[in-house]
Amino acid sequence: EVQLVESGGGLVQPGGSLRVSCAASGFTFSRSWMSWVRQAPGKGLEWVANIKEDGSEKYYVDSVKGRITISRDNAKNSLYLQMNSLRAEDTAVYYCARNDGGYFYYWGQGTLVTVSS
Amino acid sequence: QSALTQPASVSGSPGQSITISCTGTSSDVGSYNLVSWYQQHPGKAPKLMIYEGSKRPSGVSNRFSGSKSGNTASLTISGLQAEDEADYYCCSYAGSGTYVFGSGTKVTVL
Repeated sequence: EVQLVESGGGLVQPGGSLRVSCAASGFTFSRSWMSWVRQAPGKGLEWVANIKEDGSEKYYVDSVKGRITISRDNAKNSLYLQMNSLRAEDTAVYYCARNDGGYFYYWGQGTLVTVSS
Repeated sequence: QSALTQPASVSGSPGQSITISCTGTSSDVGSYNLVSWYQQHPGKAPKLMIYEGSKRPSGVSNRFSGSKSGNTASLTISGLQAEDEADYYCCSYAGSGTYVFGSGTKVTVL
């Protein structure tokens, strides 16, 4: 059974940093593109970032470029999102999802990141 | 990277059919056969309902169907049921490794 379990969310002050993680199981993680998608409270879904199987390619939505970095550790079957210079508008539930070539079949349950003083 | 345009809400009575539109541009929806649709119930993670424009994942009811014409994709729910009441989002590949979601549509079963 495929499982994606996010962790690491919490309350952080504006300008601060946070790293959220996603533990994957039930499939060959090292052969899968992975993505982060976020959802601000009461708002719609927003694609944030993608990373290729071996980490050699990474893509971001314009609003997070230079502040947020996606990475992975295939030995640990884990996906990460390092978020720096956080802003109030980054407040959201962050979902990790497996990117199956143009669509997201498997999703985690999400982890809430709140940016507030 | 502007969000795809969806109607804010669509409603229908049980048994009826409804269609949700998703309008993009020639840089996303119009250029790729990579539109997907997601159903999201309150407090839950999104669920894939349609991928590559019109394909249904295993386990998704055949009451859900997808299509595309030009820069607009559509999701049709036939034989509307109470459990179909949820938010629906379209998503398209937008080139250069990026994706864009739609603004979301709240479906209400009257």
